[in-house]
Amino acid sequence: SQQGEEDPQALSIQEGENATMNCSYKTSINNLQWYRQNSGRGLVHLILIRSNEREKHSGRLRVTLDTSKKSSSLLITASRAADTASYFCATDEAGSARQLTFGSGTQLTVLP
Amino acid sequence: EPEVTQTPSHQVTQMGQEVILRCVPISNHLYFYWYRQILGQKVEFLVSFYNNEISEKSEIFDDQFSVERPDGSNFTLKIRSTKLEDSAMYFCASTLQGNYGYTFGSGTRLTVV
Repeated sequence: SQQGEEDPQALSIQEGENATMNCSYKTSINNLQWYRQNSGRGLVHLILIRSNEREKHSGRLRVTLDTSKKSSSLLITASRAADTASYFCATDEAGSARQLTFGSGTQLTVLP
Repeated sequence: EPEVTQTPSHQVTQMGQEVILRCVPISNHLYFYWYRQILGQKVEFLVSFYNNEISEKSEIFDDQFSVERPDGSNFTLKIRSTKLEDSAMYFCASTLQGNYGYTFGSGTRLTVV
């Protein structure tokens, strides 16, 4: 798989359920970031986890990072219809000039 | 909350024409970027800019592309002679420093006809 690949590609859940998205990457990283994109709109930064961190929380978001497996997960708890969007992980690779490498994204649909 | 502002939101241009996409990054940020997203594809890095010069660029960012920060607030991307395959959403982003999240603009949808 390529750097920053998410799975699943698409996820459909009921409002109130939890949504988990996974991301795998290949290289050493400074940090890993998750972004959200509503259809045809800009990217909104959700959360950043540094390479020396294992878990981070922000509101209903929980991100984990396992650098030994080169993987991360994003958990959205108690989902809402407004959470419907595409979610991307992006890696800030070690040695790069702070450029981000994005994955293909997970399209999350939360049904009311 | 501070925003990255991009103009125009949508631009249609004839193949071979020059276009300039404009961005106003967040004022105290130090690193500036351009990314693009072809419809249905991944967001791709184009170029990073720090201390008034390009710090890194991708293979996409060939001689047809250039960036400028002409006045300390605007950050522009110029495509000299557009091709059909340049049609994409172009995003500007800025960040304060390493290990900070990026703030992206809402994008400019470029359509080359």
